[in-house]
Amino acid sequence: DAGITQSPRYKITETGRQVTLMCHQTWSHSYMFWYRQDLGHGLRLIYYSAAADITDKGEVPDGYVVSRSKTENFPLTLESATRSQTSVYFCASSDRGLVYGYTFGSGTRLTVV
Amino acid sequence: DAKTTQPNSMESNEEEPVHLPCNHSTISGTDYIHWYRQLPSQGPEYVIHGLTSNVNNRMASLAIAEDRKSSTLILHRATLRDAAVYYCIPGYNNNDMRFGAGTRLTVKP
Repeated sequence: DAGITQSPRYKITETGRQVTLMCHQTWSHSYMFWYRQDLGHGLRLIYYSAAADITDKGEVPDGYVVSRSKTENFPLTLESATRSQTSVYFCASSDRGLVYGYTFGSGTRLTVV
Repeated sequence: DAKTTQPNSMESNEEEPVHLPCNHSTISGTDYIHWYRQLPSQGPEYVIHGLTSNVNNRMASLAIAEDRKSSTLILHRATLRDAAVYYCIPGYNNNDMRFGAGTRLTVKP
């Protein structure tokens, strides 16, 4: 199906474990983004990518790693999960970045216990 | 980055117009004004954007003040499905789109 999909939809993991959240888009959009949403903080940008093999830090990158070997995929890895990383994670993509609108996925609810 | 001020919440009756205000007094001359909304348990979705003149699309209208220090998102006939948090995002640099707290719109039947 065309669009932007995130997986898994829900994830529970233990403190210290590595976990990867997947994001896949079918439009060949050049830009992709990862946000987290916490109660009381709204959405905050973690990392973004302007093209394959180009990534950059956002507002809250610590504790996260991203890669983008293919245009359509932008996985987010928590190298050693902490309870403070319990959040809802949203992936987004955009054709030209700034002006033309972002399309968001449905989110992954991650709980770190 | 331009700072925004939006009401925390607003209420509307179904099928009536809704005007959602946003103040962005520090906006720069080349920054666009974007509006997104987030329905319950969903990711944000793009609503509309503009630079200087008023804009219309199938979802809403955007009225931009002449001095560009404020804007208003207009839903012409609110429906129950329009209940959401609405975010005003004036211009963003380096692909760092900053979402504030937004305005939670409640639509009453």
